[in-house]
Amino acid sequence: QSVLTQPPSVSAAPGQKVTISCSGSSSNIGNNYVSWYQQFPGTAPKLLIYDNNKRPSGIPDRFSGSKSGTSAALGITGLQTGDEADYYCGTWDSSLNAGVFGGGTKVTVL
Amino acid sequence: EVQLVESGGGLVKPGGSLRLSCEASGFTFSNAWMTWVRQAPGKGLEWVGRIKRETDGGTTDYGAPVKGRFTISRDDSKNTLYLQMNSLKTEDTAVYYCAKDMYHYDSSAYEVWGQGTLVTVSS
Repeated sequence: QSVLTQPPSVSAAPGQKVTISCSGSSSNIGNNYVSWYQQFPGTAPKLLIYDNNKRPSGIPDRFSGSKSGTSAALGITGLQTGDEADYYCGTWDSSLNAGVFGGGTKVTVL
Repeated sequence: EVQLVESGGGLVKPGGSLRLSCEASGFTFSNAWMTWVRQAPGKGLEWVGRIKRETDGGTTDYGAPVKGRFTISRDDSKNTLYLQMNSLKTEDTAVYYCAKDMYHYDSSAYEVWGQGTLVTVSS
């Protein structure tokens, strides 16, 4: 059972938009920055979003992050078949004094 | 090119020990906070622990499942991060990744990841 809650899967047609939610509490998302990672099977995770809504260089603006209260979200617009991957949210939990991740969300392009 | 390369994974019996290494290149390792993350087969990411840079005390923090059994250390002269794993359990079986923290605060993102090294704990 992950500290952060994500839906197991989301799907949409090519060109459409998907939103992945990440729910936490005041000890984690509520008072800390959130980051998002993309992972393809058999490869290491890759940073997509940091500090809630910032994109590292090289990440397309089709990927966006937001945070409100104790929840965060990752949006992917103009969905492409190459976006099929697992996506994880992460942050710090000040009560646990440890990093925490969501359980991951599999994105499927229909 | 910024790069992290893990090594040291393998098969170990329950109760045994193993030390993983993570060699860094392309950035000033001594200035970085470093983190270990693991992923059990078919499961999600799990935070293992992290070590701050020496100028921030070089202190370590660990996730509850590994606290008291795992130890993170660093050798800045060798640009290398270590994860000493003792009293290993079957549930420690996972791919272990080292990662570089982007900034020097708790909720910093992990901007660079190694390729991972597989640890299998089985009799």
